[in-house]
Amino acid sequence: GAVVSQHPSRVICKSGTSVKIECRSLDFQATTMFWYRQFPKQSLMLMATSNEGSKATYEQGVEKDKFLINHASLTLSTLTVTSAHPEDSSFYICSARDAGTTGNTIYFGEGSWLTVV
Amino acid sequence: QQQVKQSPQSLIVQKGGIPIINCAYENTAFDYFPWYQQFPGKGPALLIAIRPDVSEKKEGRFTISFNKSAKQFSLHIMDSQPGDSATYFCAAKSGGYQKVTFGTGTKLQVIP
Repeated sequence: GAVVSQHPSRVICKSGTSVKIECRSLDFQATTMFWYRQFPKQSLMLMATSNEGSKATYEQGVEKDKFLINHASLTLSTLTVTSAHPEDSSFYICSARDAGTTGNTIYFGEGSWLTVV
Repeated sequence: QQQVKQSPQSLIVQKGGIPIINCAYENTAFDYFPWYQQFPGKGPALLIAIRPDVSEKKEGRFTISFNKSAKQFSLHIMDSQPGDSATYFCAAKSGGYQKVTFGTGTKLQVIP
């Protein structure tokens, strides 16, 4: 089946630094990818929609200058958390839709744990 | 505004029982309703999905019941097993938009 890979799965960074998380669709092309954030015991909250070759669309309340999204190719989107602070510590999950189909199936990555110390 | 409401927040059943998780939505533009299963520290995995033109869908031990007029849908897990212990999220999506709106999640524990 279709696979979405995230890297790194876990990362610890110091407060004030930036960290990049990659989301790759391994066996399909994705014109659109989505980035979610999930706090412990809570639901997934959509942060932004990443569009290949154009600017990302951010949800209300999400700082676009803090959470930089780049969708450089049909198989790769990156989320960069800039000037990270402890409150940015969370589980970040990406998802992608197979552009080659007309179906509704959206595949999720395994998530990336970010801890800011 | 929470567009997909999910209940209960947590659920404990014995092995072999039939846990039922309920969801309700408001946006009539939603036309695709997936359920996701998430284990701790992992991303959500698609379990089963339904479109509003059918009232029920079964896949293995998992069944979705859908009531379009009431704008409600539910997940039933038959013959539940300890390995089914996870958090379950209902979700909804409209055809014109690819983003998925998630429910609040239900933590299911199946005890032996």
